[in-house]
Amino acid sequence: NAGVTQTPKFRVLKTGQSMTLLCAQDMNHEYMYWYRQDPGMGLRLIHYSVGEGTTAKGEVPDGYNVSRLKKQNFLLGLESAAPSQTSVYFCASSYPLDRFRPEAFFGQGTRLTVV
Amino acid sequence: GDSVTQMEGPVTLSEEAFLTINCTYTATGYPSLFWYVQYPGEGLQLLLKATKADDKGSNKGFEATYRKETTSFHLEKGSVQVSDSAVYFCALSERSGNTGKLIFGQGTTLQVKP
Repeated sequence: NAGVTQTPKFRVLKTGQSMTLLCAQDMNHEYMYWYRQDPGMGLRLIHYSVGEGTTAKGEVPDGYNVSRLKKQNFLLGLESAAPSQTSVYFCASSYPLDRFRPEAFFGQGTRLTVV
Repeated sequence: GDSVTQMEGPVTLSEEAFLTINCTYTATGYPSLFWYVQYPGEGLQLLLKATKADDKGSNKGFEATYRKETTSFHLEKGSVQVSDSAVYFCALSERSGNTGKLIFGQGTTLQVKP
């Protein structure tokens, strides 16, 4: 029972490089999310998706792009990495709130360092 | 906009002590409230939830009651264990729009000493 799987778990990038973080869920959830976790700031929403082919901006979307071509996958892209994007990134998925289990399930996180 | 405020940590307790972590929120509607726990090196796991006023969520000895009059959702446990050492996050999800977006508090680190 995999749940939410993130790839990779660790990555070091040089300023200006690009990369894609992959998130896969096997629970048939409609909703998927990307958060970043920074010390003392909790988790902040970057982008989210309420269904295949749809995406929307969250609280801190600048410098990131996302795509959801398949229901089970949600990709987060950094086109030109900056040191301010050093963070731990979490993917999550959930059913809509009116379902019996509306809570979000989280992946293990990706620790990204931009030097 | 909506927000969640948690008591600052770190909180250090001895084993079997009583735990309270305060959480208050501001929201324009009627949110669902959650406590998530993050153990070292892991992702977040749901600890408990409450979806309407006066609901009590409970799990693994932890409890929290949805208090609409005080806009609070304080986490309590009567007797903590070393294995409870983790970071605890209070969060809300606004019902309007039905997007499931979570707004988190800043997290409270709990360390339990034997």
